[in-house]
Amino acid sequence: DTAVSQTPKYLVTQMGNDKSIKCEQNLGHDTMYWYKQDSKKFLKIMFSYNNKELIINETVPNRFSPKSPDKAHLNLHINSLELGDSAVYFCASSQAQGGYTEAFFGQGTRLTVV
Amino acid sequence: AQSVTQPDIHITVSEGASLELRCNYSYGATPYLFWYVQSPGQGLQLLLKYFSGDTLVQGIKGFEAEFKRSQSSFNLRKPSVHWSDAAEYFCAVGPSGNTGKLIFGQGTTLQVKP
Repeated sequence: DTAVSQTPKYLVTQMGNDKSIKCEQNLGHDTMYWYKQDSKKFLKIMFSYNNKELIINETVPNRFSPKSPDKAHLNLHINSLELGDSAVYFCASSQAQGGYTEAFFGQGTRLTVV
Repeated sequence: AQSVTQPDIHITVSEGASLELRCNYSYGATPYLFWYVQSPGQGLQLLLKYFSGDTLVQGIKGFEAEFKRSQSSFNLRKPSVHWSDAAEYFCAVGPSGNTGKLIFGQGTTLQVKP
């Protein structure tokens, strides 16, 4: 069983479109994250949700809207896609409250905006 | 400000040779430290972690790392590199408060010569 799974793995779309990336974790963790890896492979956190509550929003454009229907799922919706949104997006989960555990990452979604 | 520096962007070693990847951090409190590996087209896999206790930690795939508080370093080592070790290596520090946020270094690309 995959601990953190995200879909799709690849996403190619045109500028201006709206797209979603889904993420699910089966580790029972209370916190989920979205990280963005740019073309230089630099990883930076975008959002963090703890038990469906937004904890971190790292000055991400409001075209990006995360949604957490329950603590095992964290989806990322992106409106009006721009060329600069092309990147690899990683979902991750960890236990953050009451004793931290390491973060487990999904396989990544490579988004290409053309 | 919290930060992680990996001074070596790219390292090439011969198969069978020893390896050391450097990581320096800046963090206000006692940090949790991590090394992740990213193989081409793959997600991030945790190699090892330091939370407390013994400053020399063992990880998967024969890797180890040593926490040196006085030098603010957490260098990754392997005594004999295999061709399959070629990948991108990321050092990370965290978590930030109860958010679970990780701060990553820029990554080091490891190339292994036959």
